[in-house]
Amino acid sequence: AQSVTQLGSHVSVSEGALVLLRCNYSSSVPPYLFWYVQYPNQGLQLLLKYTSAATLVKGINGFEAEFKKSETSFHLTKPSAHMSDAAEYFCAVSFSGFQKLVFGTGTRLLVSP
Amino acid sequence: DSGVTQTPKHLITATGQRVTLRCSPRSGDLSVYWYQQSLDQGLQFLIQYYNGEERAKGNILERFSAQQFPDLHSELNLSSLELGDSALYFCASSVRAGEATGELFFGEGSRLTVL
Repeated sequence: AQSVTQLGSHVSVSEGALVLLRCNYSSSVPPYLFWYVQYPNQGLQLLLKYTSAATLVKGINGFEAEFKKSETSFHLTKPSAHMSDAAEYFCAVSFSGFQKLVFGTGTRLLVSP
Repeated sequence: DSGVTQTPKHLITATGQRVTLRCSPRSGDLSVYWYQQSLDQGLQFLIQYYNGEERAKGNILERFSAQQFPDLHSELNLSSLELGDSALYFCASSVRAGEATGELFFGEGSRLTVL
């Protein structure tokens, strides 16, 4: 069965610091992997997605993620955090031909001045 | 704006009651998904419809049902409500004709409070 595990329900960084949000997946077939962001009182918005093309994926707002098959990971990074990045981030997995997404439990990113 | 519209945005009701949540997908999207988000369960997939037919079922209780109409809007019916049903219910849509990117577009959710 497919699943994703997000390590850390909360991550705190200072403005300007590196952001690293961890996601590991479990899938018996090549996965599609996604990062979504949820700002307060809003729905989820796609940040980026991996669909078996380039392993380093660039998304919106300066975020990127690297697919590492050997580590079954898809960690999300941003070189320099901004206050506006404070939100909840969800990693999700699906596989080819099937649109249902399985979400991780989410990581709340806190950014301090 | 994702293009997905959910109504109502907020709903407060009592235990034992029944409510209907409505979702209009993005123009041209054939698939509609319902997710439940609660503090203790996280984001849980409930059910998916594709072009009017049920495609996949997740952790949906028997007290809950859904359908997708010919105009592609969807409704999620929650009955015999319990306190634990209080949550944010999201609708998402995907798959415009000829496009299968795996990306879901989410509405802003309907917040259900059961008292």
